[in-house]
Amino acid sequence: EAGVAQSPRYKIIEKRQSVAFWCNPISGHATLYWYQQILGQGPKLLIQFQNNGVVDDSQLPKDRFSAERLKGVDSTLKIQPAKLEDSAVYLCASSYHNEKLFFGSGTQLSVL
Amino acid sequence: QKEVEQDPGPLSVPEGAIVSLNCTYSNSAFQYFMWYRQYSRKGPELLMYTYSSGNKEDGRFTAQVDKSSKYISLFIRDSQPSDSATYLCAMKAGNTGKLIFGQGTTLQVKP
Repeated sequence: EAGVAQSPRYKIIEKRQSVAFWCNPISGHATLYWYQQILGQGPKLLIQFQNNGVVDDSQLPKDRFSAERLKGVDSTLKIQPAKLEDSAVYLCASSYHNEKLFFGSGTQLSVL
Repeated sequence: QKEVEQDPGPLSVPEGAIVSLNCTYSNSAFQYFMWYRQYSRKGPELLMYTYSSGNKEDGRFTAQVDKSSKYISLFIRDSQPSDSATYLCAMKAGNTGKLIFGQGTTLQVKP
């Protein structure tokens, strides 16, 4: 069974630039999550989708972050404009019945 | 005060040792408790999943939950160098609740 796919693996940008991350969840998983993991910290939920609807985006900085999940499968997370404090690993996860989350390898973002 | 507290370590043990990893939490509504293992430059991988209090064993791993003390533990028996990773505890209130992670404990098992 294929796991959660994410791309790119690494991204380096300058502050105020924009960046986008892509995620393809495990086939059949209705719930998709985006987490932010700052170095030395545990993952923090940014947004949770159930199919193509948003369940929780309470910790998403909506002035600069946006996410969509068209057709209830793939998802993209965008940051515009990026700040230095956005440097982190962005993890995508999916689950079947919101019990056990399966994570991708993440995208490591460095904002210079 | 953070909802979930976890000592970041690092924790260094010799191969074959018994490892004890712990988390404390403040939200008494948490009912689902998990342990994830994260290797360097990889995403977290689910190790143990427990509902409510009690013990759960899977091979060399044992998870314990003490809801009265708001304290959870993960024990690793006969630790191996391949167990060297960051271990994250995570918990949520309901089945559809938000998963809250601890900071993670970095473990190194020396041959």
